[in-house]
Amino acid sequence: AQTVTQSQPEMSVQEAETVTLSCTYDTSESDYYLFWYKQPPSRQMILVIRQEAYKQQNATENRFSVNFQKAAKSFSLKISDSQLGDAAMYFCASRRGGSQGNLIFGKGTKLSVKP
Amino acid sequence: DTGVSQDPRHKITKRGQNVTFRCDPISEHNRLYWYRQTLGQGPEFLTYFQNEAQLEKSRLLSDRFSAERPKGSFSTLEIQRTEQGDSAMYLCASSLPGGSYGYTFGSGTRLTVV
Repeated sequence: AQTVTQSQPEMSVQEAETVTLSCTYDTSESDYYLFWYKQPPSRQMILVIRQEAYKQQNATENRFSVNFQKAAKSFSLKISDSQLGDAAMYFCASRRGGSQGNLIFGKGTKLSVKP
Repeated sequence: DTGVSQDPRHKITKRGQNVTFRCDPISEHNRLYWYRQTLGQGPEFLTYFQNEAQLEKSRLLSDRFSAERPKGSFSTLEIQRTEQGDSAMYLCASSLPGGSYGYTFGSGTRLTVV
């Protein structure tokens, strides 16, 4: 079974600064995918970034990047130049590879951005 | 295509009543998922469909819950004899085959059982 753990219930960052959200996971699969989702107060989940486990290169999407440490089963999200609109719940999720399987989510980290 | 649509946005019902939620996925997506999210928690998987076939159900999905996707397009989630513990946000998502590129979520249906 897969599990995803987010150990930071809340985080805060000053506008324009950088913040890192932590995530660890556990899986017995060799083929899997990892995701970060953002859930603003309007409640619709939005995909932020995706990482394929077989790729060593860390994924990057504009101001968002990940630090994927496969041996440590760690998948942290770095947000650079934080903006007020980044304030939201952030969920880390994993999915095993292949045609079956579904997303398993962590409990989330609430990010506040201070002006 | 306007994304994944869920109806209603909010539902208040009395304990013991039946409720039904609807989800319209992105038209090109053949996979459809239902999740439940309670306050302060991440979404928990309930069930998913590939086209009209229900391929997996979580142990969270008790006998009072049933989901359908009759023509492989929209889906309904019914809860019979609602209990206060059913109060939650019910999220629907859809994806391309396999789902490894991530899911697109709807805005959810907030259920309150009084």
